[in-house]
Amino acid sequence: EDQVTQSPEALRLQEGESSSLNCSYTVSGLRGLFWYRQDPGKGPEFLFTLYSAGEEKEKERLKATLTKKESFLHITAPKPEDSATYLCAVQPHGAQKLVFGQGTRLTINP
Amino acid sequence: DGGITQSPKYLFRKEGQNVTLSCEQNLNHDAMYWYRQDPGQGLRLIYYSQIVNDFQKGDIAEGYSVSREKKESFPLTVTSAQKNPTAFYLCASSILNMPPLLNEQFFGPGTRLTVL
Repeated sequence: EDQVTQSPEALRLQEGESSSLNCSYTVSGLRGLFWYRQDPGKGPEFLFTLYSAGEEKEKERLKATLTKKESFLHITAPKPEDSATYLCAVQPHGAQKLVFGQGTRLTINP
Repeated sequence: DGGITQSPKYLFRKEGQNVTLSCEQNLNHDAMYWYRQDPGQGLRLIYYSQIVNDFQKGDIAEGYSVSREKKESFPLTVTSAQKNPTAFYLCASSILNMPPLLNEQFFGPGTRLTVL
């Protein structure tokens, strides 16, 4: 069964304190992996698509990386406005549907 | 402005009532999806549609129904048969690639349904 696990469930950081969020997956072949940001009471906002091991994508203070078993979302020198829940989803090979993890709730304290 | 709209933002329902959640997109996307989000859980797929007048059940379709009469619209009805309907409902859309290529889905703002 295709599965996605995100860790930690919640993470509190001080402003400027860099860290990483993890997304581990087990799928029968990976077509793509997606990262989303979700603010409270709002829909997920698309961040990145990764589809091959070794790939990296960057956007402002965020960098996403991909290996054959997991993806990391690195956040460098975060600011309070980076506080949100970050969702990871995988698309198995040959499938149109996505499998979502439960998310990591990130809080950046000023 | 291209995007996905959902209405209403908040919806209250009495037990035993059916309610319909609206989802409209002007991105010219072929595929549309409905997800349910509960606290501490990942998004769970209710129904999806890849083409007008056709749709497929997702992982938790029981107690829900959909229609796809227009490419732009994919309404979701939460029926009285859904035992625990209080949740945050999200609609998404994507370009349909054949064979399945990368399925980048874009989401609407969501509807929070509360059963009183």
